[in-house]
Amino acid sequence: QKEVEQNSGPLSVPEGAIASLNCTYSDRGSQSFFWYRQYSGKSPELIMFIYSNGDKEDGRFTAQLNKASQYVSLLIRDSQPSDSATYLCAAGLRGFQKLVFGTGTRLLVSP
Amino acid sequence: DTGVSQDPRHKITKRGQNVTFRCDPISEHNRLYWYRQTLGQGPEFLTYFQNEAQLEKSRLLSDRFSAERPKGSFSTLEIQRTEQGDSAMYLCASSPRPTSGPYNEQFFGPGTRLTVL
Repeated sequence: QKEVEQNSGPLSVPEGAIASLNCTYSDRGSQSFFWYRQYSGKSPELIMFIYSNGDKEDGRFTAQLNKASQYVSLLIRDSQPSDSATYLCAAGLRGFQKLVFGTGTRLLVSP
Repeated sequence: DTGVSQDPRHKITKRGQNVTFRCDPISEHNRLYWYRQTLGQGPEFLTYFQNEAQLEKSRLLSDRFSAERPKGSFSTLEIQRTEQGDSAMYLCASSPRPTSGPYNEQFFGPGTRLTVL
């Protein structure tokens, strides 16, 4: 079992819709969670991070964390074609500095 | 540009050659990380520096790989006797000293794409 799992997609949504990206993690020692966006051929760009159970909103993005279910999600409201990219979920383990990444979910937003 | 910078951006080498990559972190960041990413995968952690001290190393970091951060500023990653399996994007990231909580937001550079022929 991978430490951080994501559906590879692609997840296709029409422009203006809500895109919901999901991630599960196996290590209960994980204490911090990050969402990165990665365009093809480019490096990951940090979108949001979350440490506490519940929701965290930043503009069109909402991160959700449920530690009991070991589940993290990212909602993108009013999706735009420019949001089309691979979204990487990463977890930070207590006592370590490294991040463990999932394989990413490819999002396609059609005009 | 105040972000993380990496040099070179692309490197093509022949199997068996040595290569060295450089990373300059965001200036006020004391933490620096190296990751490797292959096609269709997420970044895989290689090593972590806090200032000049190398504090974490992955088992992925074989004895052909060595990383340094001699003055706590820029870092270098050297791969000796390259193999075709070393072909990947090598990513450097940095993060600031946390002021409170488990903050570990890592900001990535543009990466160095290595191709081993």
